[in-house]
Amino acid sequence: AQSVTQPDIHITVSEGASLELRCNYSYGATPYLFWYVQSPGQGLQLLLKYFSGDTLVQGIKGFEAEFKRSQSSFNLRKPSVHWSDAAEYFCAVGAREYGNKLVFGAGTILRVKS
Amino acid sequence: SAVISQKPSRDICQRGTSLTIQCQVDSQVTMMFWYRQQPGQSLTLIATANQGSEATYESGFVIDKFPISRPNLTFSTLTVSNMSPEDSSIYLCSVHNRTGAGELFFGEGSRLTVL
Repeated sequence: AQSVTQPDIHITVSEGASLELRCNYSYGATPYLFWYVQSPGQGLQLLLKYFSGDTLVQGIKGFEAEFKRSQSSFNLRKPSVHWSDAAEYFCAVGAREYGNKLVFGAGTILRVKS
Repeated sequence: SAVISQKPSRDICQRGTSLTIQCQVDSQVTMMFWYRQQPGQSLTLIATANQGSEATYESGFVIDKFPISRPNLTFSTLTVSNMSPEDSSIYLCSVHNRTGAGELFFGEGSRLTVL
């Protein structure tokens, strides 16, 4: 069965510090991979996506993620966190073989301290 | 990207009643997806709504509880029937990009509280 694991429920970083949010997946097909962000009371916004090709993908708001097939991971990174980055982050995985339905991880809540 | 509008944005409902959520997309799409996000939880897919056929429900979700309509390529409704406090959630409508695959775009969601 398809599954997505985000091992960290909460992460707290200082403003200006670097950030890495972890995502691991288990999929029986070549996956599409996504990171979404949800601010309190808001809908989900797509940060970045990976379909194929270059395994390091750039997204909006200065985020990037690296697909590592050997580790079944798609970790999200940002070199310098801003207070406005405080939100919940969801990793999601899909595949054409599974009807392009997306399976979401449990989410990681990011807190930024000044 | 698609623009998705959901109504109502939030509602407070009484136990045992039913509520219908509407989802309007600004472009024609083949599939529309309904997700539920329970408080403090991630998103769980309820069903996939295809125009001209019955919705396809995920394990744990049934048509009697969550009937779905898909009358045309830009509109869908999800009804939450005979509600209980456990149905208090955000219900989100989503669609794929124009190629019909890949990333999903989401509406703002409908936040239901059942008393």
